Amino acid sequence: DSGVTQTPKHLITATGQRVTLRCSPRSGDLSVYWYQQSLDQGLQFLIQYYNGEERAKGNILERFSAQQFPDLHSELNLSSLELGDSALYFCASSVASLLQETQYFGPGTRLLVL
Amino acid sequence: DAKTTQPTSMDCAEGRAANLPCNHSTISGNEYVYWYRQIHSQGPQYIIHGLKNNETNEMASLIITEDRKSSTLILPHATLRDTAVYYCIVRPGAGGTSYGKLTFGQGTILTVHP
Repeated sequence: DSGVTQTPKHLITATGQRVTLRCSPRSGDLSVYWYQQSLDQGLQFLIQYYNGEERAKGNILERFSAQQFPDLHSELNLSSLELGDSALYFCASSVASLLQETQYFGPGTRLLVL
Repeated sequence: DAKTTQPTSMDCAEGRAANLPCNHSTISGNEYVYWYRQIHSQGPQYIIHGLKNNETNEMASLIITEDRKSSTLILPHATLRDTAVYYCIVRPGAGGTSYGKLTFGQGTILTVHP
């Protein structure tokens, strides 16, 4: 158990819909990262938040957005869903100090868009 | 980010050492070598990381060549539960523009046989 929690574990929805994925980082971690894993693209970095502010952006679609709240949990919002958005979505967290940046991953949310 | 090259797949007998190689010939001075593994769609699990020196923890050992162009992850006594995809990742140190994200390749599928 990494200490990172993600909800829900599974999500089934229809094209055009909007969903929200939630992540709670390990206690004390300030940084949250979101990754997408699809069959054809592998594990890809989407976005990073540090203490409530966006720090780095990867290949995140404009239809996707994220935020980190004052209690440090994070949400990833996916809108206007397409079939190709079906994937595993992982959240990771790290302390985010200069000396220690190891990321610990949650169990993931499996999204199926029908 | 430096690219890594890993064999697509490897086999290992249970109880024997598993030695997983990784080439990262374009690694630069402040980049770390990280190893993660992913067991059947679970969240990636951190194993070990290093900069220059060899490292050992309760899970594995990491051997980095003197020129830092390659490394080997060693699982000393592989078990069936070590069957997973193993990712070797080169990651910038603090201050780099891409600091934070992990860039996953295809990894090595390690199968441990009874």
